[in-house]
Amino acid sequence: QSVLTQPPSASGTPGQRVTISCSGSSSNIGSNYVYWYQQLPGTAPKLLIYSNNQRPSGVPDRFSGSKSGTSASLAISGLRSEDEADYYCAAWDDSLSGSWVFGGGTKLTVL
Amino acid sequence: QLQLQESGPGLVKPSETLSLTCTVSGGSISSSSYYWGWIRQPPGKGLEWIGSIYYSGSTYYNPSLKSRVTISVDTSKNQFSLKLSSVTAADTAVYYCARDRSIAAAGHDYWGQGTLVTVSS
Repeated sequence: QSVLTQPPSASGTPGQRVTISCSGSSSNIGSNYVYWYQQLPGTAPKLLIYSNNQRPSGVPDRFSGSKSGTSASLAISGLRSEDEADYYCAAWDDSLSGSWVFGGGTKLTVL
Repeated sequence: QLQLQESGPGLVKPSETLSLTCTVSGGSISSSSYYWGWIRQPPGKGLEWIGSIYYSGSTYYNPSLKSRVTISVDTSKNQFSLKLSSVTAADTAVYYCARDRSIAAAGHDYWGQGTLVTVSS
């Protein structure tokens, strides 16, 4: 059972815009930054979004992040076949002595 | 270009201690800007943060694993290591090391390729 809640799957056709949600609580998303990672099949996760809505160098601006209250979203516009991957949200959780927590992941299928 | 590489046994017996090392190249592990962390992923499942360490040796661990985890750093070798004791089949996972940019609120930005550790007799 993941601390952050994501839908297990999402899909879209090439060129479409898709969004993936991530729901948390006041101890994590509600009071800390949200991060998003992309994991292509058989590879290590790659940082896609940090500090809620910042893109590391080299990440296309088709990817964007947002946060409101205790929820966050990742939006992918102009969907491409190479975007087919697992996407994970993450945040620092202030409960207990603190910990990084992740969502369970969303499998994005490009139809 | 910063690179991280995990190494260690791919098979560990139940109740024994899992030991992995992450070698950092292309940058110094002694930078004051970063922590260095371990994250694991059971087969077909999601990501779980294990813990992180600063070059000075300061550590912070996942509370759910804290009693079994030790992370250490060897700045002379530009390496940091993970020990997980009393392992069970539930600890079977791909183990990743990563650069932790918590200080700058910039996430885990560089990852190793991961190494599969199977717990089985």
